[in-house]
Amino acid sequence: EVQLVESGGGLVQPGGSLRLSCAASGFTFSSKAMSWVRQAPGKGLEWVSGISAGGVSTPYADSVKGRFTISRDNSKNTLYLQLNSLRAGDTAIYYCAKVDYGDFLDGAFDVWGQGTRVTVSS
Amino acid sequence: QSVLTQPPSVSGAPGQRVTISCTGSSSNIGAGYDVHWYQHLPGTAPKLLIYGNTNRPSGVPDRFSGSKSAISASLAITGLQAEDEAEYYCQSYDSSLSGSVFGGGTKLTVL
Repeated sequence: EVQLVESGGGLVQPGGSLRLSCAASGFTFSSKAMSWVRQAPGKGLEWVSGISAGGVSTPYADSVKGRFTISRDNSKNTLYLQLNSLRAGDTAIYYCAKVDYGDFLDGAFDVWGQGTRVTVSS
Repeated sequence: QSVLTQPPSVSGAPGQRVTISCTGSSSNIGAGYDVHWYQHLPGTAPKLLIYGNTNRPSGVPDRFSGSKSAISASLAITGLQAEDEAEYYCQSYDSSLSGSVFGGGTKLTVL
């Protein structure tokens, strides 16, 4: 069974940091691009960042550029998102998603994790 | 304001047909990038409904269909069922933003 399991969320003060992880199983992780998508309370889905299968290409949404860093460890089948300089506006459920049915740029998110909640508050 | 524009809400009675539009621009849908559709129920992971404008993943009922034309795309749901009540999102790639973009979401209410 294809599965993605996120972890690492929690309560953090403004300006703080967190590292989210996404453990993948049931597919060849090293051959698939991955992405992070978030949903703030009462808001819609927002794409945060993506990473190519080999980890070379890592685009970001303007709202997180320079503060968040996406990475992957293909030997551990794990995707990461380092969140720095956190703001109240970053409060959201963060989902990792597998990219398929297309190339890295415009493929679909065919498998999603259950999400991990990040709350930024003093 | 989302790059892809969806109506905030649509509604229909059981058994009826509804459509949800997704309007973009020349840097995303109009540039030829694929449109994908998702169903999202509160407290659950989003589910891929349509990929590549018109294709259904295995397990998605054929009551769901997608289309694309010029700078817009549409999701049609026929034979509405109570279980279809959810939020629906379109998604594509935007070359100006160099990243994926979602529509603002459409809340479907089954009357």
